[in-house]
Amino acid sequence: EGHLVESGGGLVKPGGSLTLSCAASGFTFINAWMSWVRQAPGKGLEWVGRIKSKSDGGTADYAAFVKGRFTVSRDDSKNTLYLQMNSLKPEDTAVYYCSSGYWGQGTLVTVSS
Amino acid sequence: SYELTQPPSVSVSPGQTARITCSGDALPIQFASWHQQKPGQAPVMVIYKDSERPSGIPERFSGSSSGTTVTLTISGVQAEDEADYYCQSRDSSGSYEVFGGGTKLTVL
Repeated sequence: EGHLVESGGGLVKPGGSLTLSCAASGFTFINAWMSWVRQAPGKGLEWVGRIKSKSDGGTADYAAFVKGRFTVSRDDSKNTLYLQMNSLKPEDTAVYYCSSGYWGQGTLVTVSS
Repeated sequence: SYELTQPPSVSVSPGQTARITCSGDALPIQFASWHQQKPGQAPVMVIYKDSERPSGIPERFSGSSSGTTVTLTISGVQAEDEADYYCQSRDSSGSYEVFGGGTKLTVL
């Protein structure tokens, strides 16, 4: 069964940057389309972005609110997914999950001065 | 932007059948999945491709699709099924994913 472990969350100032990682195991990562999903405190799930498998083109798509600030990437040799976040805003404060159908436990990102 | 619409809440008594709907214009051409989230926990996928059940998910969870609506059905609801349920799908282009607003299932 698939297992995902996110890391890299923490406290960052507005305008700052952070990179999240998601280590995958238990399934064929190289064939998986991988997503980042976030959940602000007390709110619902919100899709952030997704990267296709390299065999399907390897391209990434993003939610409109990302507006060029975030980049999803993957390293299939390490079975790892990344989310590079720049120009962070207080409204980006949330638990960030990676998902392939399986879900990780999430990592908390807090944007505050 | 594309939206999926769910009822905010559904309440049922133990042993009854709960049905949670999700409506969206692209659902006739895009598969949907359903995710269960209990307080303080990460989500768990309970249905994918409209009606497929992942291994380890109880048989009382089922999914169906009709036109612009997909439905999650939980037969013989148990107290442990009390949770928030989210549908997920893609827009008509297939490029963008979206979640419904979530439905809180209360077991009376």
